[in-house]
Amino acid sequence: KAGVTQTPRYLIKTRGQQVTLSCSPISGHRSVSWYQQTPGQGLQFLFEYFSETQRNKGNFPGRFSGRQFSNSRSEMNVSTLELGDSALYLCASSLSHGYADTQYFGPGTRLTVL
Amino acid sequence: AQSVTQPDIHITVSEGASLELRCNYSYGATPYLFWYVQSPGQGLQLLLKYFSGDTLVQGIKGFEAEFKRSQSSFNLRKPSVHWSDAAEYFCAVGAEVDGGSQGNLIFGKGTKLSVKP
Repeated sequence: KAGVTQTPRYLIKTRGQQVTLSCSPISGHRSVSWYQQTPGQGLQFLFEYFSETQRNKGNFPGRFSGRQFSNSRSEMNVSTLELGDSALYLCASSLSHGYADTQYFGPGTRLTVL
Repeated sequence: AQSVTQPDIHITVSEGASLELRCNYSYGATPYLFWYVQSPGQGLQLLLKYFSGDTLVQGIKGFEAEFKRSQSSFNLRKPSVHWSDAAEYFCAVGAEVDGGSQGNLIFGKGTKLSVKP
């Protein structure tokens, strides 16, 4: 069974631009969570989608948004990029909402903002 | 608010030696606790998790962890470390949101493990 895939793996953008990251969950998984990982702040939760609905949201500004499609694939969008948005963005999929089901992480998208 | 502390940023052990990585949590009720490992350039992989029951939990790759409520700890152990265990290890607690439903995972800052030959 294929794991969680994230595209692209690497991105370089400049300040003020916007970016869209994609996450394809494991087949059959209906929940997708997004995390931002930086050396200073560590792993921070962005949001979780389950059955195309946002179930939880972390403490990030409105520039960060996401959505989930009917096939459970998810995208996250960051508008008006700032230097501090440079990070590894990880998505994780699980069978259902919540952490009782194991979350499987993708390899991440490394975003660099110049 | 729930939180997780991993006091050791970096630990170096010799191959074949035993390992203990520390994790302390702050949580009112019985926590859902996890240990993940991240190898360079990779995502996170679940090593083990504790929800209830036996406080000693066995995981993959020969790891185990013990939940100690009195100490608010969930330390990860391995009796004999292999060079391939060199990675970063994250402890996490499952958050609860209003109404008691399951929220997201709250991660510690991680402990980087180096293994000497």
